[in-house]
Amino acid sequence: AQSVTQLDSQVPVFEEAPVELRCNYSSSVSVYLFWYVQYPNQGLQLLLKYLSGSTLVKGINGFEAEFNKSQTSFHLRKPSVHISDTAEYFCAVTTNTGFQKLVFGTGTRLLVSP
Amino acid sequence: EAGVTQSPTHLIKTRGQQATLRCSPISGHTSVYWYQQALGLGLQFLLWYDEGEERNRGNFPPRFSGRQFPNYSSELNVNALELEDSALYLCASSLLYEQFFGPGTRLTVL
Repeated sequence: AQSVTQLDSQVPVFEEAPVELRCNYSSSVSVYLFWYVQYPNQGLQLLLKYLSGSTLVKGINGFEAEFNKSQTSFHLRKPSVHISDTAEYFCAVTTNTGFQKLVFGTGTRLLVSP
Repeated sequence: EAGVTQSPTHLIKTRGQQATLRCSPISGHTSVYWYQQALGLGLQFLLWYDEGEERNRGNFPPRFSGRQFPNYSSELNVNALELEDSALYLCASSLLYEQFFGPGTRLTVL
C-alpha cells in the first residue's frame, strides 16, 4: 500500500518570497507522483506530475517539484509566490499498474500575505 | 475541450434519505473515479469505474454504490444517509495516468 505525508498543515509566506511545500511518500512498488491545488469551493487542479525521466518537473503557474527516490520525497517549490497562490495543496501518489486510485496527503494550506 | 462536469453543485438531504450524484467525464475518457473529501478526513478513494464495470472500491460501506453508463458518465448513489456523509464528492476522469477532476458536489446531510 502507498501513503503520503505532508508534514506542514499550513505554510504562511509573504508575497514574492520563495516557498517549499514538503511531501514524502511510502510505497513498495514504483509510483507516479502528483501535486494538485484546490481553491476554495472548487475541485482539484493538476499542478504537475512525475511519471518517469527527469527528476525535476516543471508545472503550471511557475511551480516545480523534484523527485528524490532515495529520500522518497517530492517537494513542491516556487521561487516567488503571489497572493493568488493562496490555496490548499495536495500531494498524491499512485502506482504504475492498471488500478490507479490516488492516495492523497492531508494537504498543506499556503497562506500568502502582502 | 470540455472538462469533467458534476451535478448538482449542492445537495441538501436529511438523514435516512438517498442522494444521487452525477459525473460526466472528458470525452474519450473511459475511467471514472469517485473521491470523498470530508472535513477532517481528507480525500478518500470511493469507487472506480472503467468500461462500464465497477473495478474497485475503497473502504466505504455498501450503501455507497454507483454505476457507469454506456457513454461513460457515472452516478454515485448514497443510501440511508448519515450525518457523517456530509462532504464534497469529487469525480475524476482518467486517461493513462492522469486524473482530471470536476468541481465537486457538496452534499449536506441534516
